[in-house]
Amino acid sequence: SQKIEQNSEALNIQEGKTATLTCNYTNYSPAYLQWYRQDPGRGPVFLLLIRENEKEKRKERLKVTFDTTLKQSLFHITASQPADSATYLCALPFSGGYNKLIFGAGTRLAVHP
Amino acid sequence: GAVVSQHPSRVICKSGTSVKIECRSLDFQATTMFWYRQFPKQSLMLMATSNEGSKATYEQGVEKDKFLINHASLTLSTLTVTSAHPEDSSFYICSARAGGGEINSPLHFGNGTRLTVT
Repeated sequence: SQKIEQNSEALNIQEGKTATLTCNYTNYSPAYLQWYRQDPGRGPVFLLLIRENEKEKRKERLKVTFDTTLKQSLFHITASQPADSATYLCALPFSGGYNKLIFGAGTRLAVHP
Repeated sequence: GAVVSQHPSRVICKSGTSVKIECRSLDFQATTMFWYRQFPKQSLMLMATSNEGSKATYEQGVEKDKFLINHASLTLSTLTVTSAHPEDSSFYICSARAGGGEINSPLHFGNGTRLTVT
């Protein structure tokens, strides 16, 4: 069955540095992958979509890569700010139903001033 | 932007009672809505897909008689947790796609409902 793995350990970085979060998946070749941000007690908020034929996508300080050979996506936040502190989730379409999404457990990012 | 409103945000109920959670798409129509639950520090687990005008489809292991879903209009889906027990305590979140609902378009989430069963 599909599996998504994200670092369960929290990532602590200094303000201004680049944060890099990892999403690995197995037993599947998704047509796309999405990244979401979730703050405590709130629903996730969509950040970026990357398709299988795209190597890299950027949006302001965010960058996502998608390596279908390694079955891995990397999510980068450059010039990080304390306001970027949150949990970041990657999501893939279900193999049996592309309109449904399966989520990773998320990685908590803490940016310290 | 697309807004999904979920109500209530928190509810505490006694064991054996039922709780209804509402999910509304405020500025778009949603023929399909998705219900997730989330335990602390765990991923969102898809419970069911709510389909306007027809029966919901449930994921494996989710009891349809326990978690009743009704999607009576293009802007409203409800989840009723029947005969709630402490193990049903969790964070329930609904979501929907706006626009044409293309399969790779983002999900818009409500802010969730924290259910505590005592």
